[in-house]
Amino acid sequence: GESVGLHLPTLSVQEGDNSIINCAYSNSASDYFIWYKQESGKGPQFIIDIRSNMDKRQGQRVTVLLNKTVKHLSLQIAATQPGDSAVYFCAENMVGGGTSYGKLTFGQGTILTVHP
Amino acid sequence: NAGVMQNPRHLVRRRGQEARLRCSPMKGHSHVYWYRQLPEEGLKFMVYLQKENIIDESGMPKERFSAEFPKEGPSILRIQQVVRGDSAAYFCASSPNRVLNEKLFFGSGTQLSVL
Repeated sequence: GESVGLHLPTLSVQEGDNSIINCAYSNSASDYFIWYKQESGKGPQFIIDIRSNMDKRQGQRVTVLLNKTVKHLSLQIAATQPGDSAVYFCAENMVGGGTSYGKLTFGQGTILTVHP
Repeated sequence: NAGVMQNPRHLVRRRGQEARLRCSPMKGHSHVYWYRQLPEEGLKFMVYLQKENIIDESGMPKERFSAEFPKEGPSILRIQQVVRGDSAAYFCASSPNRVLNEKLFFGSGTQLSVL
């Protein structure tokens, strides 16, 4: 069935490095994507989103890139800090497919560990 | 403005018992979602409710699981006759309207353990 998956389950970086977390999706009809951060014992926290009519979107220290040709999504975190350590999930939705509400398909997650 | 409140944070049940999970959405939010997260997996959509209405329950197991969001009070996810496979973290999210954007807020979840 349709699914969203991640290439790397774990990522370890040094403080100050840039981090790149990848996500592959299989549903070509998906047109809205979100990255969430989940810290231990907490619910997912919104980081950044992107719609399929865009290739790139930037936030504060984060950038999301979308490559629709190969169905690939990435999250770049600049100057990674220990507080960025968490599990990161990509999620997709088909806004144009009638499910414009919060019915999201999540990937498995990548564990990011930032070493001081 | 308090966030999405879920209780209890941890719930232990024996096989065959009932589990009731509660979710109070953010103030002003009338749309509630329930998601389930198994260990080392992403969240899986279960059900979408508005006040007094179930809009989409396509992710709910056909038996033993039910959800409600009454006119007054929190949303309830009810699991009857729990089995060990029901052990998971259950997250509730709320939003102020139907349209999906970044305004979907998650609670801290209820960790259900079935002995």
